Amino acid sequence: KAGVTQTPRYLIKTRGQQVTLSCSPISGHRSVSWYQQTPGQGLQFLFEYFSETQRNKGNFPGRFSGRQFSNSRSEMNVSTLELGDSALYLCASSLESMRVGNIQYFGAGTRLSVL
Amino acid sequence: QKEVEQNSGPLSVPEGAIASLNCTYSDRGSQSFFWYRQYSGKSPELIMFIYSNGDKEDGRFTAQLNKASQYVSLLIRDSQPSDSATYLCAGSSASKIIFGSGTRLSIRP
Repeated sequence: KAGVTQTPRYLIKTRGQQVTLSCSPISGHRSVSWYQQTPGQGLQFLFEYFSETQRNKGNFPGRFSGRQFSNSRSEMNVSTLELGDSALYLCASSLESMRVGNIQYFGAGTRLSVL
Repeated sequence: QKEVEQNSGPLSVPEGAIASLNCTYSDRGSQSFFWYRQYSGKSPELIMFIYSNGDKEDGRFTAQLNKASQYVSLLIRDSQPSDSATYLCAGSSASKIIFGSGTRLSIRP
């Protein structure tokens, strides 16, 4: 069974640009969550999508948005990039939405550098 | 106060010894707890999950949960150099999952 696939693996953008990251979950998984990981802040929850609906959202500005398609693939968009957006963006998929015992499996991540 | 706290380390343990990693959480609504291992430059990989008080063993790994004390731990027996990584503790409730900042573990030969 294929794992969680994230594309692209690396991105270099300049301030003010926007970027779209893609995530294909494990087959059969309907929940996709996005995280930002930086050395200073650790792993920060961005949002979770389940059956094309945003179920949960972390404390990030509106520049960060996402969506999920009917095949459970998800995209994350960051507009008006700032230097501080440089990070590893991780996608995690799970069978169901957040509940007791629900296990998340992570993709390899997209490393975004904003210059 | 962070919702999930871990000692950042590094924690240095001799090969073959027991490594003990600790985590405390503040949200009493947290019901499930996870330990992920993350090698440098790689994504987190699930090691253990636990949601009942007590111990849960899987091979060389034992997770311990004490909900009254809001404390989760991970024991690694017979530590190997390949166990050198950052270990992330996470707690989840019905609506969110919060990760700790991770503990860097180094196994010295």
